[in-house]
Amino acid sequence: EDQVTQSPEALRLQEGESSSLNCSYTVSGLRGLFWYRQDPGKGPEFLFTLYSAGEEKEKERLKATLTKKESFLHITAPKPEDSATYLCAVQVVFGNEKLTFGTGTRLTIIP
Amino acid sequence: NAGVTQTPKFQVLKTGQSMTLQCAQDMNHEYMSWYRQDPGMGLRLIHYSVGAGITDQGEVPNGYNVSRSTTEDFPLRLLSAAPSQTSVYFCASSPSSNQYEQYFGPGTRLTVT
Repeated sequence: EDQVTQSPEALRLQEGESSSLNCSYTVSGLRGLFWYRQDPGKGPEFLFTLYSAGEEKEKERLKATLTKKESFLHITAPKPEDSATYLCAVQVVFGNEKLTFGTGTRLTIIP
Repeated sequence: NAGVTQTPKFQVLKTGQSMTLQCAQDMNHEYMSWYRQDPGMGLRLIHYSVGAGITDQGEVPNGYNVSRSTTEDFPLRLLSAAPSQTSVYFCASSPSSNQYEQYFGPGTRLTVT
């Protein structure tokens, strides 16, 4: 069974304090790994897609990386507006267009 | 471009009642899907559609029906609401099943009493 595990569940950082969120996955064959950001009371917002081990994508203070077993979302010098829940999802080969989501990491940046 | 819109934003139902959650997109996307989000659980796929006239079941389809008569609309029907269906429901779309950057709507918060 395909599984996605995100850690930590919650993370509190001071403004400017860099850190990383983890997404580990166990799948039969990875087609793509996706990162989303979700603000309270809103729908998830797409951030990145990663397709193969070694791939990296960057957007502002965020950088996503991928290995054969996990993905990291690195946050450099975060600001309070980066506070949100970050969701990871995988799409598997022959997965009938289905995304399997993790439960998310709730990130709080303290001014 | 409004993107993906959902109505209503909030709904309270009594057990046994039926209702339809509306979802529309104006991006001419082929692929649309419905998820539910519950505390402590990841988003779970209910039903999806790869194009007008084509629908299929996701991970948790029981108690829900869908249809896709147009590219733009993908309503979700609750046949006989149960308290276990209390959740936040999200509709999403993407250009195709091979282009999986999904765009989500704002969600419908449903409470069944």
